[in-house]
Amino acid sequence: KNQVEQSPQSLIILEGKNCTLQCNYTVSPFSNLRWYKQDTGRGPVSLTIMTFSENTKSNGRYTATLDADTKQSSLHITASQLSDSASYICVVSADFGNEKLTFGTGTRLTIIP
Amino acid sequence: DAGVIQSPRHEVTEMGQEVTLRCKPISGHNSLFWYRQTMMRGLELLIYFNNNVPIDDSGMPEDRFSAKMPNASFSTLKIQPSEPRDSAVYFCASSLGERGGYYTGELFFGEGSRLTVL
Repeated sequence: KNQVEQSPQSLIILEGKNCTLQCNYTVSPFSNLRWYKQDTGRGPVSLTIMTFSENTKSNGRYTATLDADTKQSSLHITASQLSDSASYICVVSADFGNEKLTFGTGTRLTIIP
Repeated sequence: DAGVIQSPRHEVTEMGQEVTLRCKPISGHNSLFWYRQTMMRGLELLIYFNNNVPIDDSGMPEDRFSAKMPNASFSTLKIQPSEPRDSAVYFCASSLGERGGYYTGELFFGEGSRLTVL
């Protein structure tokens, strides 16, 4: 069964600090991996999309890494800001001839001043 | 661009009533998705359309749920009759899909419709 597991479930850090969120998946055959940011009461917004051949991708202070061999991804946030408080959702795509997305349940990140 | 527009943002109804959620996708996008989000299960795909045609409705929970896309700029998700377990946030998303919709492309989500069934 295709699954996406995220850790930790929740995280609280001080403003200005760095943090790393983890995503492990069992999705196969792998097509791409996506990270989304979801602010409270809003829809998810795409941060990065990585294919099999990409092992790192940045979007401002967000850097995603992908290890397709170990089926792990991480999202690193540098110099956190209060606006980074949100849920971060890992989504892994399988390609069966048509694409199927499997969503993780997210990591809830809270930045405190 | 206005993004994906959903209405209503909030809906409170009583068990047994009909609920209709509406979605206007981003102009030019050819794929439209309906998702349901709960705390326990996260985001789950209900149905998706490509060029107004339903491609995969395997996520629709049961016959009480139905979705239509009469044209490229409008879709509805209907629940009849509604039950308390349908309470969730329903998201519509659109994308520029490829390969006849079999490749999702980058998803753009609306702000969601929060449904509460009493």
